[in-house]
Amino acid sequence: RKEVEQDPGPFNVPEGATVAFNCTYSNSASQSFFWYRQDCRKEPKLLMSVYSSGNEDGRFTAQLNRASQYISLLIRDSKLSDSATYLCVVIANNQGGKLIFGQGTELSVKP
Amino acid sequence: GAGVSQSPSNKVTEKGKDVELRCDPISGHTALYWYRQSLGQGLEFLIYFQGNSAPDKSGLPSDRFSAERTGGSVSTLTIQRTQQEDSAVYLCASSFARGQETQYFGPGTRLLVL
Repeated sequence: RKEVEQDPGPFNVPEGATVAFNCTYSNSASQSFFWYRQDCRKEPKLLMSVYSSGNEDGRFTAQLNRASQYISLLIRDSKLSDSATYLCVVIANNQGGKLIFGQGTELSVKP
Repeated sequence: GAGVSQSPSNKVTEKGKDVELRCDPISGHTALYWYRQSLGQGLEFLIYFQGNSAPDKSGLPSDRFSAERTGGSVSTLTIQRTQQEDSAVYLCASSFARGQETQYFGPGTRLLVL
């Protein structure tokens, strides 16, 4: 079983749609959680950190449920420019600072 | 300021040859990480350096892989006797410190082993 699991998609949605990505992690010692975005043939870039209380950045909302070891990302009013692969990323306290990546969920927003 | 830079951006080599990949982290970042992204495997951790501490090599897939970081700045990832399964994008990231700090990625080196 992978340490971080995501639905690989692809998710094909029309502009303006709301889309939700889910992620689960297996290491209960995980302490830090992130969503990264990766465009085709580009490096991953931090989209947002995920906090226990949940956090929002414009159209993006991230949630964390430690009891269920579950992370989510909600994108509202999706734009064409949101098309990318979204990577769920975890750092565990007992693994130094190395990032553990999910396999990514591909999003394609169509006009 | 400049981000993480990597060179070469692309490398094609023949099976059995050695390759060296270079990473220049963001100035002032003490932690440096190498990751690999290959088809079907996603992004996987290879090795990280933190200041003068011994590196964490737990992600290196075989003893053909090694890395060093000179003077706490530039890092070189070396792959000896390359195999076709080494073909991947090798990504370097740096952060201010090991742990919870945000890691910034370089553009990667695309390695193709023929």
